Formats: sequence, structure tokens, C-alpha cells
Amino acid sequence: GAGVSQSPSNKVTEKGKDVELRCDPISGHTALYWYRQRLGQGLEFLIYFQGNSAPDKSGLPSDRFSAERTGESVSTLTIQRTQQEDSAVYLCASSLEGQGLNSGNTIYFGEGSWLTVV
Amino acid sequence: GQQVMQIPQYQHVQEGEDFTTYCNSSTTLSNIQWYKQRPGGHPVFLIQLVKSGEVKKQKRLTFQFGEAKKNSSLHITATQTTDVGTYFCAVYGGSQGNLIFGKGTKLSVKP
Repeated sequence: GAGVSQSPSNKVTEKGKDVELRCDPISGHTALYWYRQRLGQGLEFLIYFQGNSAPDKSGLPSDRFSAERTGESVSTLTIQRTQQEDSAVYLCASSLEGQGLNSGNTIYFGEGSWLTVV
Repeated sequence: GQQVMQIPQYQHVQEGEDFTTYCNSSTTLSNIQWYKQRPGGHPVFLIQLVKSGEVKKQKRLTFQFGEAKKNSSLHITATQTTDVGTYFCAVYGGSQGNLIFGKGTKLSVKP
């Protein structure tokens, strides 16, 4: 597609429910990132996918969070048993190829999925 | 893991004044990127710096990478209300390439 597409754009869920957030990266982009941004805060790295390599899950805050990616296309971020502190915008980004030490491909962000846990 | 400290957290300026945000690391960086996020929007890539001492300009924006590649700055000359937003620096967190963002500097411009 023309840009990174995320869905849903807004989600209100009850505490304890599971949610799935979807990211459709730019076609041909092998690298995909998920970030969390709480209101007025910075971007918190969650997980990074690069091609067929094992994902870097070092940023996932708890085992309630998981993410999958189908090949080099769509990714789904799942939050189980949501808590109020999970309320944030979840941003997905993609880039053309892996961000090695000497590469410099621009990463493009989607509009984000705004999650509110009540 | 890799971390970057970004200061100041907030900056309020009068339209026409200059603005600078700084990004500092305790380790040598391979490169650094800068992003702008408008209120309610998503981060948008501005520039990447790679070389020691590199200086790049985009109209009223000047980006610098320190000689030791441990710090960087973004300077805006004669701010305008359209410059309002949060400016983030970002660096690579490890060999796998995850991109780590600074906490950002939120700029407000009073007309």
C-alpha cells in the first residue's frame, strides 16, 4: 500500500479483555516495528521484525503482550487481559530493509491504534 | 541496552526565537535520526546523520552530529507556529537494529 496502515484506529475495551491490533506495512518493507506511546510521553520500543529472522522482543513489557508477523507482510500485536495502564497509542512502523549499523533507511509510521482500557 | 538522553523535555518560545534540542549518548553512535511528531499525529522522519561532525540543513533546521558521535543537536532558526510538536532523536539499540527513541522535546511557539 501507499503507507503503513493500522487498524483499528480507535479501540475501547474493558479491563481483562484481549485485544488485537493490526499493522499492514508498506509493500516490500522487510523491517517492521511496534512502539507504544502513552499520552504526552515518548515512544517505547516493543518489538522488531526483520525478514525471516527471529524477532527482537526485548521491549515487550510483560507476557501479556505478544506479536506475530506473517512473512514480510501483516503483523498483529496482541494484548491479553488488558489493564488500564495499557491505554496508549500503539504505533507500527516499517522500513525497506534491516536497520543494520551502517544502513539508514527511513522508517515510516502508521497513524496508530488508540487503545483505551476502561 | 542503548539509551539516549534528550533535553530539554519542554521548550516554550516566542515566534521568531530560536530553538535547540540536544541528544546525548554515553556510547559512540553509528548514526542518529531525528523525527517530528505534530500534536495528535505520528512521528515523521526528518533526517539521518552518519558522519562525525556532520552538519545538515533543511531550510530553518540545522542538524549536527558531534565529533565523537556521542551527541547530536537540532536547531531551528526563527521558529514559526508550524514548528510546534515534539522532536525525537532515535538511535539503533543493538545489532538487530531496533530503533530506540529519546523521550523527545516538546516545542510550543507563542504567536
